[in-house]
Amino acid sequence: DTEVTQTPKHLVMGMTNKKSLKCEQHMGHRAMYWYKQKAKKPPELMFVYSYEKLSINESVPSRFSPECPNSSLLNLHLHALQPEDSALYLCASSPLGRDSNQPQHFGDGTRLSIL
Amino acid sequence: GNSVTQMEGPVTLSEEAFLTINCTYTATGYPSLFWYVQYPGEGLQLLLKATKADDKGSNKGFEATYRKETTSFHLEKGSVQVSDSAVYFCALSGGGTSYGKLTFGQGTILTVHP
Repeated sequence: DTEVTQTPKHLVMGMTNKKSLKCEQHMGHRAMYWYKQKAKKPPELMFVYSYEKLSINESVPSRFSPECPNSSLLNLHLHALQPEDSALYLCASSPLGRDSNQPQHFGDGTRLSIL
Repeated sequence: GNSVTQMEGPVTLSEEAFLTINCTYTATGYPSLFWYVQYPGEGLQLLLKATKADDKGSNKGFEATYRKETTSFHLEKGSVQVSDSAVYFCALSGGGTSYGKLTFGQGTILTVHP
């Protein structure tokens, strides 16, 4: 069982819809990440939160809006997406501080399809 | 900047064959190295890790040794099973990389036939 839980597992939305992806972890990790992954390609980093503050934004379009309400939760708000945004969206978490080179733990992802 | 290069795939093997997936890296300092596996329809799972030179990571019959002199972290398994069919990603963190970033290789698709 994965220790990072993502919901929903699948999402189909139109280009004018607003939806949110959710991620939760209870490992006490203070870094959380959003990635986008196309089929059989490596994940591409989108955002990094450390201590609940946004620390890295990899020039992601504003139609993706991250939010970190607390140390266990990470959301990704979606609005006016394009068909090319269809992908698997992965959440991950990892320790901070002297353990910052420890591995990231990934959820199973949300498979997003834009109609 | 940092980079990870994996052997090109896809790799197709018969059950019980020996597996090697090559991985080499470029990084400053002392990165940590990882192998992740992604089964169909799932997220990435950490397969094994090594945090310093000469460390050997092992899990589920897979092994990889952190070789600083050759900047390599090759994945090996002595006898693969059909259930090992998946995509394998070599990755590094640290070693001069911006904090919080993983650098991934391009992935190797492994298919094991009965």
